[in-house]
Amino acid sequence: DAKTTQPNSMESNEEEPVHLPCNHSTISGTDYIHWYRQLPSQGPEYVIHGLTSNVNNRMASLAIAEDRKSSTLILHRATLRDAAVYYCSRAPAGNQFYFGTGTSLTVIP
Amino acid sequence: NAGVTQTPKFRILKIGQSMTLQCTQDMNHNYMYWYRQDPGMGLKLIYYSVGAGITDKGEVPNGYNVSRSTTEDFPLRLELAAPSQTSVYFCASSLSGTRSPQFFGPGTRLTVL
Repeated sequence: DAKTTQPNSMESNEEEPVHLPCNHSTISGTDYIHWYRQLPSQGPEYVIHGLTSNVNNRMASLAIAEDRKSSTLILHRATLRDAAVYYCSRAPAGNQFYFGTGTSLTVIP
Repeated sequence: NAGVTQTPKFRILKIGQSMTLQCTQDMNHNYMYWYRQDPGMGLKLIYYSVGAGITDKGEVPNGYNVSRSTTEDFPLRLELAAPSQTSVYFCASSLSGTRSPQFFGPGTRLTVL
C-alpha cells in the first residue's frame, strides 16, 4: 500500500528496546492499525493491533500518534528471535488489509 | 487445533496450466483471505470472503477465482497460469475482519515456467 510507508531496514542491539515506525498519513478515523512479522520462509505472524489508544500485549506495545497519521511498534527488549521483517497494515473498518513494504530488523548480539 | 493449513507447499506449473491452491482453517473464523507475496515485497490481497457463499475482490484479483462453500475452506483457482503469477501465496483467516488479528498459513510457493 503506497499510503503506508516504513523504513526498509533497522538495526538494534540485543536486549535493547526497538522502535519501529510506520507512516499512514491518509488513514481515516475508522481504520485499524495492525502489525505482523515474518521470518524467512514462513507465513506472517500477528503481533498487535489498535484503533486509537496505545496497546500492550505480551509481545510488544503499539503507540499511535494523536492524529493517527503514524504509529510505532515497540519491542521492549530485542532478542535474536525478534529478527524478522515487520509489516505495518492499514485496515479500514470492514474487510481489507493494506500492507506496507516492511522493515527488516537485524538484532546484533 | 491446526490453525490455517495450505496445500501444496510447492508447485511448478507450465504456462497455461490450471491448479487450485487449498486453504483450510479450524478456528471457525468468518473471514478468510488470499494474498500473494512477490520476492522482497509486501503482501497484496487477491480475494477475501466474509462468510460461506460470500467473496469479494482485493487489490490484485485478475487471473484468479475463489469460492467459499463452507466456513472452513477457501480454495484459490488459477485458470491459465502465467509467469507473472510466480509468487508465494498465503491464506489467512480472522474472526471479525479488520477488528481482530489475522492468522496466516505457511504458504504455497508457486513457479510458472
